[in-house]
Amino acid sequence: DSGVTQTPKHLITATGQRVTLRCSPRSGDLSVYWYQQSLDQGLQFLIQYYNGEERAKGNILERFSAQQFPDLHSELNLSSLELGDSALYFCASSVYTSGRSYNEQFFGPGTRLTVL
Amino acid sequence: AQSVSQHNHHVILSEAASLELGCNYSYGGTVNLFWYVQYPGQHLQLLLKYFSGDPLVKGIKGFEAEFIKSKFSFNLRKPSVQWSDTAEYFCALHRSGGGADGLTFGKGTHLIIQP
Repeated sequence: DSGVTQTPKHLITATGQRVTLRCSPRSGDLSVYWYQQSLDQGLQFLIQYYNGEERAKGNILERFSAQQFPDLHSELNLSSLELGDSALYFCASSVYTSGRSYNEQFFGPGTRLTVL
Repeated sequence: AQSVSQHNHHVILSEAASLELGCNYSYGGTVNLFWYVQYPGQHLQLLLKYFSGDPLVKGIKGFEAEFIKSKFSFNLRKPSVQWSDTAEYFCALHRSGGGADGLTFGKGTHLIIQP
């Protein structure tokens, strides 16, 4: 158990719908990262938040957005869903502080999204 | 942009065999390199990491990896595998100095150890 929690574990929805995935970081971690794992694209970095502010963007689609709340939990919102959005979505957290080169990321168990 | 490639998508070995999983990266600057493992039904766990210094790094569960800068490689090794090593293995890169940034992962290698 990494200490990072994600809900729900599984989500099944239809094309065109909107879903919200939730992540709670490890206690004390200020930074949250979102990743998408799909069969064709592999594991891709989507977006990073630090203490409520967006810090870095990866291959995140415009239909996707995220936010980090004052209690440090984060939500990833996926809208206008397409079949190709079916994937495993991971959240990771770290004690990232500005200026440090790298802090180890701890991964949650993931949310499996199926778009029908 | 940076990238990571893992040569073998599927590897099948017998118990006690030696393991080497290839990983090459593409990036013009200094990098931090990692190997993660994902056991069936579990989350990603860090096996080992290279930041600087000794290019031979040791990780958990008897794994080690060697960073060869001239070859842009970071291959994972284990002298004698066990059935419990069956898992998906991912090589990953972080751009050094890019504190605010995610990891760039390879496509993964699915390792099956036969008893």
